[in-house]
Amino acid sequence: AQKITQTQPGMFVQEKEAVTLDCTYDTSDPSYGLFWYKQPSSGEMIFLIYQGSYDQQNATEGRYSLNFQKARKSANLVISASQLGDSAMYFCAMREGNYGQNFVFGPGTRLSVLP
Amino acid sequence: DAGVTQSPTHLIKTRGQQVTLRCSPKSGHDTVSWYQQALGQGPQFIFQYYEEEERQRGNFPDRFSGHQFPNYSSELNVNALLLGDSALYLCASSPYFPERVNTEAFFGQGTRLTVV
Repeated sequence: AQKITQTQPGMFVQEKEAVTLDCTYDTSDPSYGLFWYKQPSSGEMIFLIYQGSYDQQNATEGRYSLNFQKARKSANLVISASQLGDSAMYFCAMREGNYGQNFVFGPGTRLSVLP
Repeated sequence: DAGVTQSPTHLIKTRGQQVTLRCSPKSGHDTVSWYQQALGQGPQFIFQYYEEEERQRGNFPDRFSGHQFPNYSSELNVNALLLGDSALYLCASSPYFPERVNTEAFFGQGTRLTVV
């Protein structure tokens, strides 16, 4: 079964607008961490934001925020004030406490920011 | 401070050959993980090395093997290459805290392997 689901293969957003990228996850481990990474065409995975399963507040990092709904097992990434440089692949990933340090990644969403 | 560096950046091999990919972790990191990212997909975990030993392994055949050196750098070896091994191979480094879910990993730019 898919542990990380990203249902939007591609998204378009107008420059300066906000966009939400969806991520749902599946785990029975009470301790887990959710990460969002950006992958430009160069290939490098760039860390954006982290949310822990025990965190009470939604995570925020600059223009990035995470809409964490634990009961729904969703961790959607919100990018505010989109910029042309935000065009890239975005991956949601999970690390579970009982399974060491490896990440399980979703299939990704390709975001295109339009001028 | 150099981040994670991988070499080579691109590689073309023939089916049946063997290939070695290299990774130098970020300074201060002692753990290296390898991921395979097929075109249009998310990365898949191959294995992780710490203290020169394989600590964790994903669902990959024995054709995939690795090594970690005393300076924490790592190699990924793939034997008997198949066309399906064509992918971007990513190396990630981190400090070794297997019980902590919030440990951030830093990724290299990857090696793009094409098997023909």
